[in-house]
Amino acid sequence: KQEVTQIPAALSVPEGENLVLNCSFTDSAIYNLQWFRQDPGKGLTSLLLIQSSQREQTSGRLNASLDKSSGRSTLYIAASQPGDSATYLCAVVSGGSYIPTFGRGTSLIVHP
Amino acid sequence: ETGVTQTPRHLVMGMTNKKSLKCEQHLGHNAMYWYKQSAKKPLELMFVYNFKEQTENNSVPSRFSPECPNSSHLFLHLHTLQPEDSALYLCASSQGGAGGDEQFFGPGTRLTVL
Repeated sequence: KQEVTQIPAALSVPEGENLVLNCSFTDSAIYNLQWFRQDPGKGLTSLLLIQSSQREQTSGRLNASLDKSSGRSTLYIAASQPGDSATYLCAVVSGGSYIPTFGRGTSLIVHP
Repeated sequence: ETGVTQTPRHLVMGMTNKKSLKCEQHLGHNAMYWYKQSAKKPLELMFVYNFKEQTENNSVPSRFSPECPNSSHLFLHLHTLQPEDSALYLCASSQGGAGGDEQFFGPGTRLTVL
């Protein structure tokens, strides 16, 4: 059974810092991995989707990498802003079952 | 309306009530999902529909009954729920291939069972 862990659970940083959020998974036979952000009481917003054959994806200040062999993905946020404050979730879709497994998320606060 | 919409946004119901949650996607997608998000657990997949056919039931109790009349609409019928069913219920859709494509989420329905 796939298990997804996100570290740290919470993070508070001053504006302008570069951040790294971590996602690890136990079964490396994945189909893809997706990063989301969730604002309090709201739904999820898709940030980046990495297919199993890819190593990284970039969108603006966000960069996500994938290392299947070590069971890890990282989300890099450059020059953080208060508007980046949210919970960041990673979801791993396992090959074969195609069922997404979510981590518990990293709660990020960027203060001015 | 654009994206994925859900109604109602908030719902309070007693354990003997019957209610329904509605989800509609305006993206032309073929797969739709129901998820449950409670405070003490990670987001949990409940049901998957692909081209209106249910392809996944993730061991969900029968007091939750999904319905997908067409590829744009998804319902979750609720009856005789328990207080532990209180959670945020999220709907999502993707182009096709359950789980394989990028998923787009609605804003969720906050359900409280008294």
